[in-house]
Amino acid sequence: SAVISQKPSRDICQRGTSLTIQCQVDSQVTMMFWYRQQPGQSLTLIATANQGSEATYESGFVIDKFPISRPNLTFSTLTVSNMSPEDSSIYLCSVEGQENYGYTFGSGTRLTVV
Amino acid sequence: GENVEQHPSTLSVQEGDSAVIKCTYSDSASNYFPWYKQELGKRPQLIIDIRSNVGEKKDQRIAVTLNKTAKHFSLHITETQPEDSAVYFCAASSDSGYALNFGKGTSLLVTP
Repeated sequence: SAVISQKPSRDICQRGTSLTIQCQVDSQVTMMFWYRQQPGQSLTLIATANQGSEATYESGFVIDKFPISRPNLTFSTLTVSNMSPEDSSIYLCSVEGQENYGYTFGSGTRLTVV
Repeated sequence: GENVEQHPSTLSVQEGDSAVIKCTYSDSASNYFPWYKQELGKRPQLIIDIRSNVGEKKDQRIAVTLNKTAKHFSLHITETQPEDSAVYFCAASSDSGYALNFGKGTSLLVTP
């Protein structure tokens, strides 16, 4: 299965600032997925990032707040913009495995906004 | 879109007992159903998955069953051990290239 390196692993940020999260995959993948996991909750899909086109956002998530880049088939970034305490969550990237649909996750970024 | 319901939200069993977690889904196009285990502070880890052309799959103490007609699938853990304590998530996806839709999770506690 694919191996994903995600960073930073955690950060504490001031409200009103932005944070960019990076995910690097050890193989080329068509789609990369970004999820948010609020404390004690399940994983909610933010957007799907396809190389060479704009990301597709889920209901409740907008590009201005969560801009995504996908410059090549192994890398993607998610920016959390103009942060507020409500953005405090774990953010995870995910890719589909090369065989048999197995999806793997990055180690997550634990974001605290103060 | 796909809606995945998961029950129970919490489950407590004694070591050696079996644990069963159930999920239902709404989209009949869904054909891939994985289960993830997430320990505190860690990423979700795939523990078993099943596709719509299979009714049951087993891997040692873990098994998953799928009923496509009723749109539900279940995770069965036998001979539970304290290290099985974690949050378990079911998910569904319609096809390759599509994101997973997750259930709300089940917090499993196995007491010695």
